[in-house]
Amino acid sequence: NAGVTQTPKFRILKIGQSMTLQCTQDMNHNYMYWYRQDPGMGLKLIYYSVGAGITDKGEVPNGYNVSRSTTEDFPLRLELAAPSQTSVYFCASTFTVTGANVLTFGAGSRLTVL
Amino acid sequence: GESVGLHLPTLSVQEGDNSIINCAYSNSASDYFIWYKQESGKGPQFIIDIRSNMDKRQGQRVTVLLNKTVKHLSLQIAATQPGDSAVYFCAETSTKGGYQKVTFGTGTKLQVIP
Repeated sequence: NAGVTQTPKFRILKIGQSMTLQCTQDMNHNYMYWYRQDPGMGLKLIYYSVGAGITDKGEVPNGYNVSRSTTEDFPLRLELAAPSQTSVYFCASTFTVTGANVLTFGAGSRLTVL
Repeated sequence: GESVGLHLPTLSVQEGDNSIINCAYSNSASDYFIWYKQESGKGPQFIIDIRSNMDKRQGQRVTVLLNKTVKHLSLQIAATQPGDSAVYFCAETSTKGGYQKVTFGTGTKLQVIP
């Protein structure tokens, strides 16, 4: 199993550009999440999905959009990139809906907006 | 409100000594507490979890202690090794509106001195 795969690993954007961070998992997990991690900080939840066709906002959704057309894929869209969106983005997934809800993370996507 | 925070941002430990990483939380309704390890350039990985009705749980070289009276969580690593150098996050999970919310703390960087 590949687990959670994120692409690209690195990207530099100019202010106002748009891009999509891809995330796919092959574990048949129903829950998927997008987090951002700023330097020296913890993980902030951007959006999450409890299953195909269902998404909801997290703590910091402004400037982002998501979709979940399949169980496997959960892309994160940045429409008008801003310097404040410079961060490392992590996608995660889990199957457990009761219990500890342990997340499996991807390796991260480092985004720089100049 | 809900928050998970850490007392020490950086911890330096001599190889072979024991490490203790602390975490404070404020949501008394949390179901589980989880420790993750994040190595440089990678996504967080699960270490150990503890249910809210437990005080202690042991794994391989790691022990998690939960003190609900003072809302404090700690991760103890025995005989710390260079491979333990990483950032450690505590996280709490709680059920809200049928969704299991995961809240991460800021993180503690553990530096192992050879």
